[in-house]
Amino acid sequence: GAGVSQTPSNKVTEKGKYVELRCDPISGHTALYWYRQSLGQGPEFLIYFQGTGAADDSGLPNDRFFAVRPEGSVSTLKIQRTERGDSAVYLCASSLTGPNQRGGYTFGSGTRLTVV
Amino acid sequence: QKEVEQDPGPLSVPEGAIVSLNCTYSNSAFQYFMWYRQYSRKGPELLMYTYSSGNKEDGRFTAQVDKSSKYISLFIRDSQPSDSATYLCAMSGYGGSQGNLIFGKGTKLSVKP
Repeated sequence: GAGVSQTPSNKVTEKGKYVELRCDPISGHTALYWYRQSLGQGPEFLIYFQGTGAADDSGLPNDRFFAVRPEGSVSTLKIQRTERGDSAVYLCASSLTGPNQRGGYTFGSGTRLTVV
Repeated sequence: QKEVEQDPGPLSVPEGAIVSLNCTYSNSAFQYFMWYRQYSRKGPELLMYTYSSGNKEDGRFTAQVDKSSKYISLFIRDSQPSDSATYLCAMSGYGGSQGNLIFGKGTKLSVKP
């Protein structure tokens, strides 16, 4: 597609529920990233995929968070047993090859998650 | 001390003013420096990309990196109301497989007509 698409754009869920956030990167981009942005803060790194594999998952805060990219294109971020502190905007980005390339990352508009 | 420090503002200037935004950082391993612009309820959009020290100019935007002082700047000339947004600095020091961009908090800029 023309840009990075994230669905849903907004998600409200109850504390303790499970949620899935979807990211559809730019066609042909091999690298995909998930970031989380809390109100008034810059994005914080969660996980980076190169193809189908997670090349760096050091930013995932705990084992309630998991992400997959089974066919090297669409990715899903999964959060189990959601907590109110998980409320944030979850941003997905993609790039043609890997990190630090001159073109930077293309971000989606994010999924605004609210845990009540 | 956070790895990247950025004054969150807000910063309000009249149209046509020169805007100066900056970040300081503590990790001397950072080599890649970026500025992103983020409009409300949108994802960040890459404005400038610089590798190592030096200046880079693109239209009304100039990015400067001073690695000896661990200080980066973004200058916007002839600012326009459409420049009103949050500006995020971002940096990393890693090549290869790691994708960990470190962002500042962002500076909210408002350009008044």
